[in-house]
Amino acid sequence: KAGVTQTPRYLIKTRGQQVTLSCSPISGHRSVSWYQQTPGQGLQFLFEYFSETQRNKGNFPGRFSGRQFSNSRSEMNVSTLELGDSALYLCASSGGLGVSTDTQYFGPGTRLTVL
Amino acid sequence: ILNVEQSPQSLHVQEGDSTNFTCSFPSSNFYALHWYRWETAKSPEALFVMTLNGDEKKKGRISATLNTKEGYSYLYIKGSQPEDSATYLCAFGGSNYKLTFGKGTLLTVNP
Repeated sequence: KAGVTQTPRYLIKTRGQQVTLSCSPISGHRSVSWYQQTPGQGLQFLFEYFSETQRNKGNFPGRFSGRQFSNSRSEMNVSTLELGDSALYLCASSGGLGVSTDTQYFGPGTRLTVL
Repeated sequence: ILNVEQSPQSLHVQEGDSTNFTCSFPSSNFYALHWYRWETAKSPEALFVMTLNGDEKKKGRISATLNTKEGYSYLYIKGSQPEDSATYLCAFGGSNYKLTFGKGTLLTVNP
């Protein structure tokens, strides 16, 4: 089975721009979670989607949004980029109903740099 | 705000040493405790998912224990090898469709 894929792998943007990141989960997985990792911080939860429904959202401003499509692929969007948005963005997929108890399979991440 | 704490923050050991790290988490609303290994330039990789108090899991030279009543888990590595060098993350799973991660323990194994 192919693993979780994320595109693009690297992005450079300037302040004020917007960006869309994509995540394709493992085939058959219906849950996709997104995380942000910055130096000195652990993985910070952004949101989780299951069957096109957002079930939880982390403590991030409204500039961060996401969606999931019927094929379980997910996108996240960040509008009006700020320097502090520079980070590694990881997505993870899991196969069951319970994110809390299911093994998460992570993608390679998208490294976003905001200049 | 839910706190998941890991200690130590970093650790240097010699090849062949055994080592252990700690993860502490809230003892209420507990569903699962996850351990992941994250090597540089790779994706985090699942080691264990533990759900029951007293759980013990083993994978090769790595093992983990769980105490949900007091809110801690230990990860043990026996006979560390240079390829064990990585950041080890634990994550708390509650009832709200998310995992809350600790900041990790960075292990460096010197040959």
